[in-house]
Amino acid sequence: DTGVSQDPRHKITKRGQNVTFRCDPISEHNRLYWYRQTLGQGPEFLTYFQNEAQLEKSRLLSDRFSAERPKGSFSTLEIQRTEQGDSAMYLCASSSQGLPPYNEQFFGPGTRLTVL
Amino acid sequence: QKEVEQDPGPLSVPEGAIVSLNCTYSNSAFQYFMWYRQYSRKGPELLMYTYSSGNKEDGRFTAQVDKSSKYISLFIRDSQPSDSATYLCAMKETSGSRLTFGEGTQLTVNP
Repeated sequence: DTGVSQDPRHKITKRGQNVTFRCDPISEHNRLYWYRQTLGQGPEFLTYFQNEAQLEKSRLLSDRFSAERPKGSFSTLEIQRTEQGDSAMYLCASSSQGLPPYNEQFFGPGTRLTVL
Repeated sequence: QKEVEQDPGPLSVPEGAIVSLNCTYSNSAFQYFMWYRQYSRKGPELLMYTYSSGNKEDGRFTAQVDKSSKYISLFIRDSQPSDSATYLCAMKETSGSRLTFGEGTQLTVNP
């Protein structure tokens, strides 16, 4: 399977704990995105990398959230001191550079986080 | 006010019906308009995209964009039970990278 992969698929944690998610993009894609999707809502943009550089961050990405893409390949999203409001599906997407359709964002299956 | 508004449904139709899904938006800078399909517990997958105004057809699917009204539509002809999913509209500015999504419309096509 050469699509976007995310790990873990499900995470249950207690409030106040730290969690880390991993995303492996499609290998030839240099752009990587994180979105958050709550139940009954569309995905909301969190942050975007081009290669290893984090070029854009949403106001939704509070200080408790940090994302990295150290070698321009896989990315991690860490949430510190989790809160119940962090419960959501965290989606990763990747794309190549250029104008549509070449920069279509391909989404992974998501990591579902439940904070108790 | 949200930048993109979409009727969440749910929408239930019989097999073979024509389905119309719609979104309105407020950001005039949006130039790329997309429809994604999302099955339960899966990530969204791109169905169609349109640049600026106009129509685009792909098989049973037709996307329309009316920038003067800030209104986009997706039509599904001869709907099938396998079309049952949540349909998300998404939009992007020319210079930006982020997609702005509607909240999604849940569609059920009954055999």
